[in-house]
Order: sequence, then C-alpha cells, then structure tokens
Amino acid sequence: AQKITQTQPGMFVQEKEAVTLDCTYDTSDPSYGLFWYKQPSSGEMIFLIYQGSYDQQNATEGRYSLNFQKARKSANLVISASQLGDSAMYFCACLNTNAGKSTFGDGTTLTVKP
Amino acid sequence: GAVVSQHPSWVICKSGTSVKIECRSLDFQATTMFWYRQFPKQSLMLMATSNEGSKATYEQGVEKDKFLINHASLTLSTLTVTSAHPEDSSFYICSAKGTGPSVAVTDEQFFGPGTRLTVL
Repeated sequence: AQKITQTQPGMFVQEKEAVTLDCTYDTSDPSYGLFWYKQPSSGEMIFLIYQGSYDQQNATEGRYSLNFQKARKSANLVISASQLGDSAMYFCACLNTNAGKSTFGDGTTLTVKP
Repeated sequence: GAVVSQHPSWVICKSGTSVKIECRSLDFQATTMFWYRQFPKQSLMLMATSNEGSKATYEQGVEKDKFLINHASLTLSTLTVTSAHPEDSSFYICSAKGTGPSVAVTDEQFFGPGTRLTVL
C-alpha cells in the first residue's frame, strides 16, 4: 500500500516570496508518478506539476517546481513569487503505475498574506 | 489540458431518495474513471475505479449497493447514491484518464469540478 505524508496542515507566506510545501511518499512500486494539485475554495482540483520516478531532472512549470529527491522519497513543491491567488489547499499524490490509481496526502492549506 | 465535466454541481435531496451524478470527458476517451469523496478540509478518499465496459472496483469499506457506478461509454460515468441519508452528504469528485490529443501526460488524471451533495 502507498502512503503520502504532508506534514504541514497549514502554511503562511508573504506575497512575492517563495514557499516550499513538503511531501514524502512510501511506495513499493518501482515505477510511479508524483503529482501536485491545487484545490481552491471552489473545490475544483487543478493539476500543477508531474514528476515521473525515472525522470532525471526536476519538473518545472512556470512558478512551480518539484524538488524530487528519490533516495529520500520526497517530492516537495516550490512556489516562487507567491501571489494572493495561490491561497488554496495543495495535495500531493502518488500514482501506482501497476494499479493505475493514485493515493493522496492530507493536504496543506496555503495562505498568502499581502 | 483535457476537460472533465460533472453534473450537477450541487444537489439537495430528501433522505431516502436516490441521486445520480454524471461525469463526462469532453475531449478525450476516458478509459478509466475514478470517483472520490471528500469531507471539508480533508483529503480525497477513493471510492471506486471503473473501466469502460467493466464493473467498477470498489475500495474497502465502500458499499457497492449504496454507491452504484456505471461506465457505459468512453465519455460517461455515473455515480448513483441510492437511498441517500444525511451521512452521505459530501463533496463527490470524479476524475478520468485516457487517451487523446489533449492528454499530454500519460496516466494524468483530469478532475471534474465536483458535486456537492446535501441530504436533508
């Protein structure tokens, strides 16, 4: 069974600063994928970034980057230049390639202060 | 990216009635669809996985007769909450993965906007 741990229930960051949201995972699947999603108060799940377990380089998507440390089984999300609109809940998820389904962490609520 | 719609976005019903929620993939073929349940400020809990044309696979603890899932085509899956009770009130989210020009990352799940169910 897979397990995703997000140790930060809530985080605060000043507007325009960078913030790191932690995620560690535990999986026995040799091939897996790591996703980050943003869920604003509207409830919609918004895909942010993806990292494959065999990818050599860390994934980046605009202001989002994924700090992937395979040996430590961590996949932290870094948001640069935070904006007020980044305030939301953020979920880390690990895809079990064999089973074809994902396991989600408990989420981190990020609040960006003006 | 690929688009998944969900209908209705919110529904209020009386205890004992059944409610059907639709999940559609608009611009890709959804070979697999997932149904999640989410309580406020909590994580997504996977209820079941369905592959087109096959019976859904339910997660442990999820009542098959209570939550009926049908995935009859590559673009539509439905979740029917039968004889709904107040404890079934929750946010239900579907997601889909599949193939098509709009699918850039294999195995990426595309989420619907969710359905908020309130049972009185």
